[in-house]
Amino acid sequence: EAQVTQNPRYLITVTGKKLTVTCSQNMNHEYMSWYRQDPGLGLRQIYYSMNVEVTDKGDVPEGYKVSRKEKRNFPLILESPSPNQTSLYFCASSLANRDEQYFGPGTRLTVT
Amino acid sequence: KQEVTQIPAALSVPEGENLVLNCSFTDSAIYNLQWFRQDPGKGLTSLLLIQSSQREQTSGRLNASLDKSSGRSTLYIAASQPGDSATYLCAVLYGGATNKLIFGTGTLLAVQP
Repeated sequence: EAQVTQNPRYLITVTGKKLTVTCSQNMNHEYMSWYRQDPGLGLRQIYYSMNVEVTDKGDVPEGYKVSRKEKRNFPLILESPSPNQTSLYFCASSLANRDEQYFGPGTRLTVT
Repeated sequence: KQEVTQIPAALSVPEGENLVLNCSFTDSAIYNLQWFRQDPGKGLTSLLLIQSSQREQTSGRLNASLDKSSGRSTLYIAASQPGDSATYLCAVLYGGATNKLIFGTGTLLAVQP
C-alpha cells in the first residue's frame, strides 16, 4: 500500500530532551516536507526537501532540523524541544514539488 | 502576503443536502490548488487537485472549481452524508522561489442524520 508513515504517533517529552520524529514514504517521491498544525494558525511548513541531500527552510524552521540522506526518509529533529513546539506534526510527500501531496497520519507532540 | 481564507469556519447541514465550501486566495499566480479532508485526530486525505490551467475537477460526489482571476475555489458536495462530516482544508501552491503550499484554516462540516 502506497503511504507515508510517521513514528511515533504520540510523544510526551520534557524541555531540552532531544527527539526525532521519523517519516518514510514508499512511493519513490522526490519531494518531502514537514508541517505543524496549531489551532487558529492552520498548517505551516517547517522544512522541505526537493530531493536527496537538498533541504530548505519553510515558514517556521526555528528549533528544528531535518536531513534527507535517502529518498524515502525525512526525519524531523528537535535538538532542544520547548513547550512552544507542542503541536501536531505532519510529514508529506509528492512526486515533485508541484504534484499532489500525500500526508502521513500525524504525530502529536507535547513538550512539558 | 500570500494568504488562503476559508469561509465559513463551520457549517452544519441535514443529510441529503447539497453544499458548497469556499476558499479564497490573495495571489492569482498559483501552480495548483488542492482540497483535503481531515478527520479528528487523523491525517489529511487528498480529495481533489486542480492545476492552474484547469477550471474544475470531479471525483464522485465532489466537484471542485477554480477561478484564478477572482482568487476563488469552491468544493461542491452533492447529496451529503453523515460520513462526510470532517474538516475540509484548501491549500494553494504558489510559484516563485519558494514553491510553497499555503493552507487555509479549514471548514468544519457536520452533516446531521
